[in-house]
Amino acid sequence: EAQVTQNPRYLITVTGKKLTVTCSQNMNHEYMSWYRQDPGLGLRQIYYSMNVEVTDKGDVPEGYKVSRKEKRNFPLILESPSPNQTSLYFCASKLPGSPLHFGNGTRLTVT
Amino acid sequence: QQQVKQSPQSLIVQKGGISIINCAYENTAFDYFPWYQQFPGKGPALLIAIRPDVSEKKEGRFTISFNKSAKQFSLHIMDSQPGDSATYFCGGGYNKLIFGAGTRLAVHP
Repeated sequence: EAQVTQNPRYLITVTGKKLTVTCSQNMNHEYMSWYRQDPGLGLRQIYYSMNVEVTDKGDVPEGYKVSRKEKRNFPLILESPSPNQTSLYFCASKLPGSPLHFGNGTRLTVT
Repeated sequence: QQQVKQSPQSLIVQKGGISIINCAYENTAFDYFPWYQQFPGKGPALLIAIRPDVSEKKEGRFTISFNKSAKQFSLHIMDSQPGDSATYFCGGGYNKLIFGAGTRLAVHP
């Protein structure tokens, strides 16, 4: 089944403790991106990647890092999480000219 | 800066009625306008999309109307059903998609 898989689905952590949210797609998509979803703000793009080793900032990149060493994987790294990064995170991928395919989300709580 | 403005924030419609959600965009370079549907606990999924050289697109009960000169587009859901209750996002862009803030639709039986 074609899908975007994120792990974990739920994560509770403390301020300053580094964490990684994994994202993997099995559709051979070149484009991958991360969004955060907050009430009243919709989906805001954090980072995107047009291909392996090519990443670029979205609208809200502060406090996040990404890497794209393989086409299928695009992990999101929070080096020092803060409470304002508590949010629902979505990974997505697509082919050129085609719609985004989203994962089922990771709900992160930073205390 | 929000480049896609969506309204209303929430909408209640009776079963069988018409649901209408509107979006306005600012960036004239946008060349792809999708609507995504999101159910609780799930990621958004593409519902219907349009390109600016088309004024209207219909797929089943769902229709996008596009007004390029006004930089506006809307989603119409005909014969709304309780199963349509979800959050809807409009978007604009192409490789880098910008989304509206979302509309929570509730269809009452």
